[in-house]
Amino acid sequence: GENVEQHPSTLSVQEGDSAVIKCTYSDSASNYFPWYKQELGKGPQLIIDIRSNVGEKKDQRIAVTLNKTAKHFSLHITETQPEDSAVYFCAASNPGNKLTFGGGTRVLVKP
Amino acid sequence: NAGVTQTPKFRILKIGQSMTLQCAQDMNHNYMYWYRQDPGMGLKLIYYSVGAGITDKGEVPNGYNVSRSTTEDFPLRLELAAPSQTSVYFCASSQLGGEGEKLFFGSGTQLSVL
Repeated sequence: GENVEQHPSTLSVQEGDSAVIKCTYSDSASNYFPWYKQELGKGPQLIIDIRSNVGEKKDQRIAVTLNKTAKHFSLHITETQPEDSAVYFCAASNPGNKLTFGGGTRVLVKP
Repeated sequence: NAGVTQTPKFRILKIGQSMTLQCAQDMNHNYMYWYRQDPGMGLKLIYYSVGAGITDKGEVPNGYNVSRSTTEDFPLRLELAAPSQTSVYFCASSQLGGEGEKLFFGSGTQLSVL
């Protein structure tokens, strides 16, 4: 089955700096890669996703890049703000299979 | 819409006790899921349902049971609680369960088995 590795497990950044979280996946058939944000005491929420026919996708301060050849994808957050502090999960899925999640990254934005 | 509602938010069980985690959604979604979240381990799928009366095992189903008698409700049953079931449990739903579909999560149930 699919295996998703996520790094780092914790990330501390200064407000205004950029944050990058990286994930690798094992199943070359995977073609959908979402990112979920989990704030304290809440369930995860989808913030951005990318499909295998796209190399990069942006939404305001967040962007996701995908390298199918290397089987890795990354989340980039620019101009970080205190409200970006949360746990972020990457995930991967292929047709007919449910999402496989990475282990999560706890991001702390220091004011 | 309330979205996905889970109860209780917190629970402490003794080893061997049983309990049911409740989950309800008001979005008329066909697909519903139960995940458990262990520290540093991400979210693991326990069971899922594609519609009323249909359920299937996920990655870590042992020690759990589910039922889906209505579109709205998807309870998770722990029959003989064990310390290994200490975790945060999330219920989620999606409209069609198709490839690349957004999941809507509840706020979770934190369960401790002592």
